[in-house]
Amino acid sequence: EADIYQTPRYLVIGTGKKITLECSQTMGHDKMYWYQQDPGMELHLIHYSYGVNSTEKGDLSSESTVSRIRTEHFPLTLESARPSHTSQYLCASSARDRGPQFFGPGTRLTVL
Amino acid sequence: QQPVQSPQAVILREGEDAVINCSSSKALYSVHWYRQKHGEAPVFLMILLKGGEQKGHDKISASFNEKKQQSSLYLTASQLSYSGTYFCGTEGNDKLIFGTGTRLQVFP
Repeated sequence: EADIYQTPRYLVIGTGKKITLECSQTMGHDKMYWYQQDPGMELHLIHYSYGVNSTEKGDLSSESTVSRIRTEHFPLTLESARPSHTSQYLCASSARDRGPQFFGPGTRLTVL
Repeated sequence: QQPVQSPQAVILREGEDAVINCSSSKALYSVHWYRQKHGEAPVFLMILLKGGEQKGHDKISASFNEKKQQSSLYLTASQLSYSGTYFCGTEGNDKLIFGTGTRLQVFP
């Protein structure tokens, strides 16, 4: 079954730690996205990719980085986590420009 | 610019109707609609393309007026399962930008 996966689902870490949030999709989609969403609030695009070796920053300034070495995999890395990074991170993918986006279940990150 | 949704929140009884509006200050190519239930990821509902079309999905339909840069989502005879936060997403010349969200609660 084609799907989009995120791990871990929940993560609690201390300030200064390096973390990587994983996102994988089995739909063969070229386009992938990372959003940050605080509880009950709107979604903010932080990174996106239109294909392998393509990555761009989104509208929300973020201290994270991403890579796209394989079509199905789009990990997000925080080099030094801070309490201000506490949020939910959602990964999404779409098959084409202006096509529907399909979201993973999200990673809820808490930085102490 | 982030599209603005109205109202911010709606409370309904089962069977009642609701309209959620989405307005943008930019020329639009398409509008997406998503629903997010509490604690879950957003789920795609429908996409409307330039051309002023209307679409339906069970008892949920939407319209898109590109001249006014607006879209409306119509929920008819609401069910408990309609509860959640609805987001529009607008596309102009650039990538999708999600709106401010409308929280909808349906009570028995």
